[in-house]
Amino acid sequence: KQEVTQIPAALSVPEGENLVLNCSFTDSAIYNLQWFRQDPGKGLTSLLLIQSSQREQTSGRLNASLDKSSGRSTLYIAASQPGDSATYLCAVRPGGFGNEKLTFGTGTRLTIIP
Amino acid sequence: EPEVTQTPSHQVTQMGQEVILRCVPISNHLYFYWYRQILGQKVEFLVSFYNNEISEKSEIFDDQFSVERPDGSNFTLKIRSTKLEDSAMYFCASSDPGQGGYNSPLHFGNGTRLTVT
Repeated sequence: KQEVTQIPAALSVPEGENLVLNCSFTDSAIYNLQWFRQDPGKGLTSLLLIQSSQREQTSGRLNASLDKSSGRSTLYIAASQPGDSATYLCAVRPGGFGNEKLTFGTGTRLTIIP
Repeated sequence: EPEVTQTPSHQVTQMGQEVILRCVPISNHLYFYWYRQILGQKVEFLVSFYNNEISEKSEIFDDQFSVERPDGSNFTLKIRSTKLEDSAMYFCASSDPGQGGYNSPLHFGNGTRLTVT
């Protein structure tokens, strides 16, 4: 059974710093990994999707990497801003035809201190 | 940018009552999903729906749950007889297989907070 872990559970950093969020998964037979942002009481906003054949994806100040063999992904946020404060979730999609469900981690609650 | 829309944003119901949660997926999407998040816990998969039938469901999705696409735009989740433990945030999501098949990203709505008393 796939298990997805995100450490730390919470992180506070001063504005302007670069930071890295971590995601690990136990079964490397994945189709892709997706990073989401969740604001309090709100839905999930897709940030980046990395296919199993890819090593990284970039969008603006965000860069996500994937090391499938070691079961790890990182989300790098450059030049953090107070508006980046949110909970960040990673989710993996299993490999194989017909496997559609995403397995989510518990998230990292990020606070950017002005 | 197109969005997944869910109504209502908050639903309060008494134990044993039936509830229907409604979703309008993004119009050209073909895969539809329901997930839920109990307060303080992980987001959990409930069911996926494609071509007017359930394509995958979790062990949570028992006989008390059903999904339906009653017309070309709505996608609903019905809980027949609610229990206290059904209290959670329920998220609808959709994806477009034309954007990369299984590598198409899921787009989530803002959720319906269900409170069972």
